[in-house]
Amino acid sequence: DAKTTQPPSMDCAEGRAANLPCNHSTISGNEYVYWYRQIHSQGPQYIIHGLKNNETNEMASLIITEDRKSSTLILPHATLRDTAVYYCIVRGDNTDKLIFGTGTRLQVFP
Amino acid sequence: DAGITQSPRYKITETGRQVTLMCHQTWSHSYMFWYRQDLGHGLRLIYYSAAADITDKGEVPDGYVVSRSKTENFPLTLESATRSQTSVYFCASKNRGGNQPQHFGDGTRLSIL
Repeated sequence: DAKTTQPPSMDCAEGRAANLPCNHSTISGNEYVYWYRQIHSQGPQYIIHGLKNNETNEMASLIITEDRKSSTLILPHATLRDTAVYYCIVRGDNTDKLIFGTGTRLQVFP
Repeated sequence: DAGITQSPRYKITETGRQVTLMCHQTWSHSYMFWYRQDLGHGLRLIYYSAAADITDKGEVPDGYVVSRSKTENFPLTLESATRSQTSVYFCASKNRGGNQPQHFGDGTRLSIL
């Protein structure tokens, strides 16, 4: 599976959009981009995933660049409850394993 | 919507004891997984199962035993617990299909004295 690179930490004001970047320059054609988050002491929570098209659900939007070498998770109106570690993971459809990196620690402040 | 539940949530035991962590899912997902999470290592895969009676090793399987006699249950056993197995353990499940996401339980915090 391709390796991902994320900034170790980010801040965001409550009510503003949080844009979390992820670099996956070695991604291959059958690999999906997944985003999870982990709020302190809880299990990782699935947010969204995509292959090449942009995706949106009730939690977030996922923007994948045309060359698929990077992506951005967007939380449109961040709240204090969105404070968590966010993981960007690349996984091919020929494997069932997720490899978690160190993620981005997002701090939402009032 | 019960989803995936782990028990116990907290466990303290002594070295050399056997301890079993339980994982139960109500989605009838084919796949189930066990991870451990330690400071400085993130989440690491211990074992996984593609279906009942099918299990396979992950990244850090030594010292652990799993079984899957029923689709909904995937217990993890430490046959002789060691201090290095003190960790937070997460169970996850996912449906069949290449791009289906995994869904995680709330974890078991295990301390081995």
